[in-house]
Amino acid sequence: DAGVIQSPRHEVTEMGQEVTLRCKPISGHNSLFWYRQTMMRGLELLIYFNNNVPIDDSGMPEDRFSAKMPNASFSTLKIQPSEPRDSAVYFCASSQGQGWAEAFFGQGTRLTVV
Amino acid sequence: AQTVTQSQPEMSVQEAETVTLSCTYDTSENNYYLFWYKQPPSRQMILVIRQEAYKQQNATENRFSVNFQKAAKSFSLKISDSQLGDTAMYFCAFMSYGQNFVFGPGTRLSVLP
Repeated sequence: DAGVIQSPRHEVTEMGQEVTLRCKPISGHNSLFWYRQTMMRGLELLIYFNNNVPIDDSGMPEDRFSAKMPNASFSTLKIQPSEPRDSAVYFCASSQGQGWAEAFFGQGTRLTVV
Repeated sequence: AQTVTQSQPEMSVQEAETVTLSCTYDTSENNYYLFWYKQPPSRQMILVIRQEAYKQQNATENRFSVNFQKAAKSFSLKISDSQLGDTAMYFCAFMSYGQNFVFGPGTRLSVLP
């Protein structure tokens, strides 16, 4: 398996634009996590899906952020409109079983909002 | 809510020496997993080692071992024979059944030649 695949690897956008980050989890994994990493706040969980259903979205900063998982092999994280403070590395991770196994991470998307 | 604390923001060690990274956590759960992840400059998050809370025996993976003290809610990572490639951020993480991962703030480890 190729592991968790995220795209794009890098994204630079202007403030106010819509940004969509994509994630393909490892086949057979049924839990998916979106994290945001910044120097100031470390790794923050944004949202957690199990069997394509959002279980915990309490970490989503505000209504500008939304996440979907239309099927077991694809998830998106959308920011609309984007702001400079959204600049961070966004990680997607997946795990097997209902959160009872280690998470495997993608390589992350570095987002810069100017 | 579970929390994970790593009290050492930065550490350094000489190549070939041994270093121990600290981690404590807070939970009311009895069954859970603990993990150490490594994040080198490439930013890829890599699982180093994991420990099931119901196992008394400490986990080991080659040069990496843990000291798991369940009563004290402590989960330290020992790296033996440190190598330059061990230079990275190290994150301690906690997961209880059906819940999400909770990560500590990380310890930046530098291995010096």
